[in-house]
Amino acid sequence: DTVLTQSPALAVSLGQRVTISCRASKSVSTYMHWYQQKSGQQPKLLIYSASNLESGVPSRFSGSGSGTDFTLTIDPVEADDIANYYCQQSNELPYTFGAGTKLELK
Amino acid sequence: QVQLKESGPGLVQPSQTLSLTCTVSGFSLTSYHVHWVRQPPGKGLEWMGVMWSDGDTSYNSALKSRLSISRDTSKSQVFLKMSSLQTEDTATYYCARSGKAVMDAWGQGASVTVSS
Repeated sequence: DTVLTQSPALAVSLGQRVTISCRASKSVSTYMHWYQQKSGQQPKLLIYSASNLESGVPSRFSGSGSGTDFTLTIDPVEADDIANYYCQQSNELPYTFGAGTKLELK
Repeated sequence: QVQLKESGPGLVQPSQTLSLTCTVSGFSLTSYHVHWVRQPPGKGLEWMGVMWSDGDTSYNSALKSRLSISRDTSKSQVFLKMSSLQTEDTATYYCARSGKAVMDAWGQGASVTVSS
């Protein structure tokens, strides 16, 4: 299985630029997607295929990467962005998720 | 408007079988795939399996021996059955739609507790 590794938590200040990383144990090409999950809610798709912004998602979110290293960038961070963020690969079955990065306020 | 809604029992006894239904609207099960994903309390997301649009299924090998996914296209429903439940199967269970390989719409989730 493809293991996805994310940093557990990041502390940010409002208005700051933040990057959340995801490293895959093997190449997933650009079959990497990012989801936001707020407390008590279902995950929400933000970025698909590494760098494509899902319709309706604010342009302060962006994604990059290919192969094994990927990043989700939020610039600038707003209060509404405080949540958990998960990467997910669909290059091979089983689909796998990273353990999530919790974005916290400093 | 695309919608998915999970339904099922909130409480299941250990060793029993969990049955969940995902009822969809706004799209056809013969055009989109439907995945099941679960999340234990306070933990991350685990992909369980998928009903492909052509009626085929794929499962997470960690769950394959206990898991079955089926559908009724006439009712726009996808079903999950998982046997031999244990306390570690306590989780919120989500169904999610994908057109290609990305889950772009999710249900609100069904909370399942395994306890006697």
